[in-house]
Amino acid sequence: DQQVKQNSPSLSVQEGRISILNCDYTNSMFDYFLWYKKYPAEGPTFLISISSIKDKNEDGRFTVFLNKSAKHLSLHIVPSQPGDSAVYFCAASARGDYKLSFGAGTTVTVRA
Amino acid sequence: GAGVSQTPSNKVTEKGKYVELRCDPISGHTALYWYRQSLGQGPEFLIYFQGTGAADDSGLPNDRFFAVRPEGSVSTLKIQRTERGDSAVYLCASSPGSRELFFGEGSRLTVL
Repeated sequence: DQQVKQNSPSLSVQEGRISILNCDYTNSMFDYFLWYKKYPAEGPTFLISISSIKDKNEDGRFTVFLNKSAKHLSLHIVPSQPGDSAVYFCAASARGDYKLSFGAGTTVTVRA
Repeated sequence: GAGVSQTPSNKVTEKGKYVELRCDPISGHTALYWYRQSLGQGPEFLIYFQGTGAADDSGLPNDRFFAVRPEGSVSTLKIQRTERGDSAVYLCASSPGSRELFFGEGSRLTVL
């Protein structure tokens, strides 16, 4: 049962433009959400997170938005750079349960 | 090194053989996780250690899979009687107790 869903397997964006990645979840017990970035042959690296008490968190070019009523979060990357080309995973965990549930990932390609 | 170290990086074995995968977490991290990632999917939780004990092994698919962490640091994931369906990248992650996990580069297992 996939509790975290990333319905877009891929996204292509021009350098300098905004990348928007979407993620939906079904478990109402999730209260902490993370985005990880993964390059080929490397492990996932933590990018940004958000707690359910917030609806936005920003870190440089990366902003995560959380809509709890819709059980939806998104990651905005602006401006997109060639080095942002990677697979992005959305993940979530419930209070008191530190294991993460991951989505299937979205492959982002930034075109020069 | 400062990151999570996993060995071997690649392992090719024959169906029915026994395999061990090793994880050396970041020094001082008390929590250790094993995940499995199949092609085109996100990481899937296997087991979580807090110190030496397995706090949550609900993700282990069957009794062919076993993991230990005898001294609260290095962990070994053991797979008996390997099957072709076990082929995947096995990811180890550690955490100092926060909700962000730090992943290693993974061990790619291929069962022929």
